[in-house]
Amino acid sequence: EPEVTQTPSHQVTQMGQEVILRCVPISNHLYFYWYRQILGQKVEFLVSFYNNEISEKSEIFDDQFSVERPDGSNFTLKIRSTKLEDSAMYFCASSYYLQSPLHFGNGTRLTVT
Amino acid sequence: KQEVTQIPAALSVPEGENLVLNCSFTDSAIYNLQWFRQDPGKGLTSLLLIQSSQREQTSGRLNASLDKSSGRSTLYIAASQPGDSATYLCAVRPGNTPLVFGKGTRLSVIA
Repeated sequence: EPEVTQTPSHQVTQMGQEVILRCVPISNHLYFYWYRQILGQKVEFLVSFYNNEISEKSEIFDDQFSVERPDGSNFTLKIRSTKLEDSAMYFCASSYYLQSPLHFGNGTRLTVT
Repeated sequence: KQEVTQIPAALSVPEGENLVLNCSFTDSAIYNLQWFRQDPGKGLTSLLLIQSSQREQTSGRLNASLDKSSGRSTLYIAASQPGDSATYLCAVRPGNTPLVFGKGTRLSVIA
């Protein structure tokens, strides 16, 4: 069964550094998402992406965050200058239609020190 | 603003027992509701999706029901097994907007 893959599985970075989290969504899916989950808290929406542009973003997704689909298969989340509070599990997800089930990757655990 | 609540936060049952996990949401104007399973340190596995026009969905030992007017959904697990131990998340889609998640119910099935 096709799946969403994310790399790396764990990333440790120092405060102020830039990180890029990578995702390969399911190949025929059209909608792409990033969510995050701070330890012990709810899964929170960050951003959705459709037709090569951001379709919606949350308050969390400020100017420090950006997303890109550089080559038609990868979908990346960049955090420009990481803060301690960015430490979380970041999940990529994709769906075929807007109302189709979301399929999630296994996540990247980001630790900012 | 849509809020999703899951009760109980944690549940421990002996193997073989049937159980019900509850999810409630504050705004009944939803497009669909999705149940996920999350194993420790892992991603979310989609279990069932119920569209707003549906009352229930079944997959194997799992049955999810939806009562949109009262803002409730239940996930019924029949004949629980130790392999069912995980956190179960409920998420609603309020129209054409992203999923809103509950905090989950952590289930332990004891052999």
